[in-house]
Amino acid sequence: ETGVTQTPRHLVMGMTNKKSLKCEQHLGHNAMYWYKQSAKKPLELMFVYSLEERVENNSVPSRFSPECPNSSHLFLHLHTLQPEDSALYLCASSQDTASYEQYFGPGTRLTVT
Amino acid sequence: GQNIDQPTEMTATEGAIVQINCTYQTSGFNGLFWYQQHAGEAPTFLSYNVLDGLEEKGRFSSFLSRSKGYSYLLLKELQMKDSASYLCAVEDYGQNFVFGPGTRLSVLP
Repeated sequence: ETGVTQTPRHLVMGMTNKKSLKCEQHLGHNAMYWYKQSAKKPLELMFVYSLEERVENNSVPSRFSPECPNSSHLFLHLHTLQPEDSALYLCASSQDTASYEQYFGPGTRLTVT
Repeated sequence: GQNIDQPTEMTATEGAIVQINCTYQTSGFNGLFWYQQHAGEAPTFLSYNVLDGLEEKGRFSSFLSRSKGYSYLLLKELQMKDSASYLCAVEDYGQNFVFGPGTRLSVLP
């Protein structure tokens, strides 16, 4: 148990669907992150939130829309995705953005058909 | 540009020692991280180096040379469970993380 949970663990969606990924951390951390891991590619940082404010957006397409309603919850809203968006989406949290240790959730395996 | 290089694959024998190298070229340096990732699982933090030298943590050690843009992860007394991908990542001055492609380590009996 890492203290970071993600739901759902697996998701299959069509290109016209709208879905959301949820992340919750029970560690009292102030920073949360979304990562994407595609097969045979390095881990990619997508979004960084600090105290519910977005501080980093690594040129992610607008079909991915993050939301951080409070410091414990992070969402990734998905719409009109492409098959190449199929990947493992990982959520992580850390005490703050200056902390070097991040705790990862188990990930959501997304398949876009 | 930003670039991190690691060997793609390595093989070692149970009980042996293996060194995984990482070279980097980034716009600034705020620290270097090593992660372990088993297939289908999230990465697990292993080590963090910001100053030159060797950091030891149990069977794992990590070394950094900032002047050479070089780090290595040393794994001793290899166990079968150490078969995994090892990710080298650098944080630059903008708190951006640049990840290497990962080194897939196979530990053989």
